[in-house]
Amino acid sequence: AQSVTQLGSHVSVSEGALVLLRCNYSSSVPPYLFWYVQYPNQGLQLLLKYTSAATLVKGINGFEAEFKKSETSFHLTKPSAHMSDAAEYFCAVSSNTGKLIFGQGTTLQVKP
Amino acid sequence: EAGVAQSPRYKIIEKRQSVAFWCNPISGHATLYWYQQILGQGPKLLIQFQNNGVVDDSQLPKDRFSAERLKGVDSTLKIQPAKLEDSAVYLCASSLGRTAIQETQYFGPGTRLLVL
Repeated sequence: AQSVTQLGSHVSVSEGALVLLRCNYSSSVPPYLFWYVQYPNQGLQLLLKYTSAATLVKGINGFEAEFKKSETSFHLTKPSAHMSDAAEYFCAVSSNTGKLIFGQGTTLQVKP
Repeated sequence: EAGVAQSPRYKIIEKRQSVAFWCNPISGHATLYWYQQILGQGPKLLIQFQNNGVVDDSQLPKDRFSAERLKGVDSTLKIQPAKLEDSAVYLCASSLGRTAIQETQYFGPGTRLLVL
């Protein structure tokens, strides 16, 4: 069975600091991995996805993630946090039928 | 391009009442998903349709939840009777094609349900 674990339910950074949100996955087959962002009272928006092309994936709003098979990780990073990045972030793995299996989510707080 | 539409946005009911949610996916999207997101958790799939056929409803509580996708377009999700633990946000998503495994799912704004 596939699963995703997000380490840290809350992450707080200062504006301009590095953002690092951690995601580890478990999958018996090559995984397809996704990061979604959810702003308050809104649906989920895709940030980026890994589909076995390049291991370093660039997404919207300056985010990127690196797929590391040896570490079963797909951590999300952004070099410099902006106040508008404050939101909840979900890592997900796709099952063989296409359903997304989500982690618990990480709330990112950005301090001025 | 119009996104995924859902209504209502908010609903408050008492336990044992019934409630229905509506979703209109992006035009031309074959696959439609209903997810349940309980406060503080990630979304969990309730049911997945491909056109008007069910692909996965393994986590749908079938004694109280039902869903349909008539003509392979709009979908409704119903809860009857509702329980307190059904309080959650119900998210509808859609994706374009038949091979959904690596496709992007586009989410609607969700319906926030509170059961008192």
